[in-house]
Amino acid sequence: EAQVTQNPRYLITVTGKKLTVTCSQNMNHEYMSWYRQDPGLGLRQIYYSMNVEVTDKGDVPEGYKVSRKEKRNFPLILESPSPNQTSLYFCASSRSNQPQHFGDGTRLSIL
Amino acid sequence: KQEVTQIPAALSVPEGENLVLNCSFTDSAIYNLQWFRQDPGKGLTSLLLIQSSQREQTSGRLNASLDKSSGRSTLYIAASQPGDSATYLCAGTSMDSSYKLIFGSGTRLLVRP
Repeated sequence: EAQVTQNPRYLITVTGKKLTVTCSQNMNHEYMSWYRQDPGLGLRQIYYSMNVEVTDKGDVPEGYKVSRKEKRNFPLILESPSPNQTSLYFCASSRSNQPQHFGDGTRLSIL
Repeated sequence: KQEVTQIPAALSVPEGENLVLNCSFTDSAIYNLQWFRQDPGKGLTSLLLIQSSQREQTSGRLNASLDKSSGRSTLYIAASQPGDSATYLCAGTSMDSSYKLIFGSGTRLLVRP
């Protein structure tokens, strides 16, 4: 089954404790990205990757890092999480000019 | 800079009614426009993608149109069912950033049995 898989689905952690949210897709898509969804602000892009070893900032990249060492994986790294990064996070993937496919989301709570 | 707006924010209709959801965008140089559905606690499910060269796309009871000159897209749902209850999001991409989706704030649809 074609899918985008995120882990974990839920995480409660504390300020400053490094964490990684993994994203994997099995559709051989070149493009992958991360979004966060916040009440009243909607969905905003954090980072994106056009292909392996090619990443770039989206609209809200501060406090996040990403890497694209393999085509199928695009982890989101929070080196020193803060409470304002409490949010619902989505990973997406697609081919050029094709529909973007989204994962089920990761709900992060940072205390 | 592309901005996407969806009106109304919420809509409640009786089962069986045909309905239209509206989406407007500010930059007519839109690359494509995609409609999604989001169920509570779930991710986004892609419904329809309209390329900039197209005017509409259809899938089952859904029909989406794109009018670049007026900066509008509509999602038409025929014969609505309670299972259609969800939040519907439209998102556009621009010619200079064809992979970045700019989302509207969504329309929360409730179809009453």
